[in-house]
Amino acid sequence: SAVISQKPSRDICQRGTSLTIQCQVDSQVTMMFWYRQQPGQSLTLIATANQGSEATYESGFVIDKFPISRPNLTFSTLTVSNMSPEDSSIYLCSVSGADYGYTFGSGTRLTVV
Amino acid sequence: AQSVTQLGSHVSVSEGALVLLRCNYSSSVPPYLFWYVQYPNQGLQLLLKYTTGATLVKGINGFEAEFKKSETSFHLTKPSAHMSDAAEYFCAVSDQVGTALIFGKGTTLSVSS
Repeated sequence: SAVISQKPSRDICQRGTSLTIQCQVDSQVTMMFWYRQQPGQSLTLIATANQGSEATYESGFVIDKFPISRPNLTFSTLTVSNMSPEDSSIYLCSVSGADYGYTFGSGTRLTVV
Repeated sequence: AQSVTQLGSHVSVSEGALVLLRCNYSSSVPPYLFWYVQYPNQGLQLLLKYTTGATLVKGINGFEAEFKKSETSFHLTKPSAHMSDAAEYFCAVSDQVGTALIFGKGTTLSVSS
């Protein structure tokens, strides 16, 4: 299965600023998925990123707040823009494999102060 | 669109007792079903998955789950709970290979001695 390197692992940011999270996969994948896990909650899908096209966002998430880049088949970034304390969460990227398996990054623990 | 309902946000059992965590899904097509475990401040770990074939799926740490199409269920069981099983458990579904996983809200399992 694929291996994902996600950076940064954690960060503390000032409100009003932006943070870009990176995910590097060790193999080419068609789609990458971005999730948010708020404290004590489950994982919520933010968007699906397909190389060469605009990301598809789930209800409640907008491109201006969570712009996504997908420049090639092994890399993607998620930016959390104009942050507020409500954005404090763990953000994870994920890819699916040929064996119906899903691999998750180790997560970015974001605290907005 | 597919969805997952986990009945019971919190389940408490005694050590050695049967563990039963309930998951019902909604999908317009045959689903792919997954159970993940998350220990405090750790990432997701795959317990087991159902894609096709045998409806009784055995996973790691003595867990198993049975896909029941007629009941649209995929309940997770373990015959004898261990203290180390205390964690958050998530059921997830996808309706196609390569599409994003949709997670249930999770069930917290507590194990008492």
